[in-house]
Amino acid sequence: DADVTQTPRNRITKTGKRIMLECSQTKGHDRMYWYRQDPGLGLRLIYYSFDVKDINKGEISDGYSVSRQAQAKFSLSLESAIPNQTALYFCATSDLGDVGSYNEQFFGPGTRLTVL
Amino acid sequence: DQQVKQNSPSLSVQEGRISILNCDYTNSMFDYFLWYKKYPAEGPTFLISISSIKDKNEDGRFTVFLNKSAKHLSLHIVPSQPGDSAVYFCAASQGAQKLVFGQGTRLTINP
Repeated sequence: DADVTQTPRNRITKTGKRIMLECSQTKGHDRMYWYRQDPGLGLRLIYYSFDVKDINKGEISDGYSVSRQAQAKFSLSLESAIPNQTALYFCATSDLGDVGSYNEQFFGPGTRLTVL
Repeated sequence: DQQVKQNSPSLSVQEGRISILNCDYTNSMFDYFLWYKKYPAEGPTFLISISSIKDKNEDGRFTVFLNKSAKHLSLHIVPSQPGDSAVYFCAASQGAQKLVFGQGTRLTINP
């Protein structure tokens, strides 16, 4: 079974609709992240959470909101979807490492979102 | 402002030869660098990393080189295999915080 799962895997919606993308993990990690991937732009951070009570904006948070319902669950919402939010969305998790160390991020399989 | 840049969108290499993927960064405060590999319809997976206190790290066929004075890192794959065909992202971190990714390079290994 996958350690990081995302639902749905594909979604087509219309401009103005509210959309929620969900992420669940069984790795027991405290840290969770939402990224979007666009051609030629790589992966850009939308929001991240270092524990259940911690939510932080990334570099492109406008038009998005998140909810950390539990250690294992982190959802991303588009309150009113627009066509330039068409992208591939990834959730990732990482452990809380020792001070000065780095712990790799583990990614889900992605959600392909199309906004018409 | 793109803090991490991969200036080659694509690279084609013959099987068995060396693949060299390049990455430049602008933030001198970055102290940890990583390479991720991504196949179609899958999420990125971690490949190899290097701390800023080192200039080289090897793991099997994969070697990452870091040149801090030039703010440049590279990934060498020797020998290249068909299964190495994927998109490669470099990423950088300041402290044990969030990652900043490059745009990615699509590597194609030709038989």
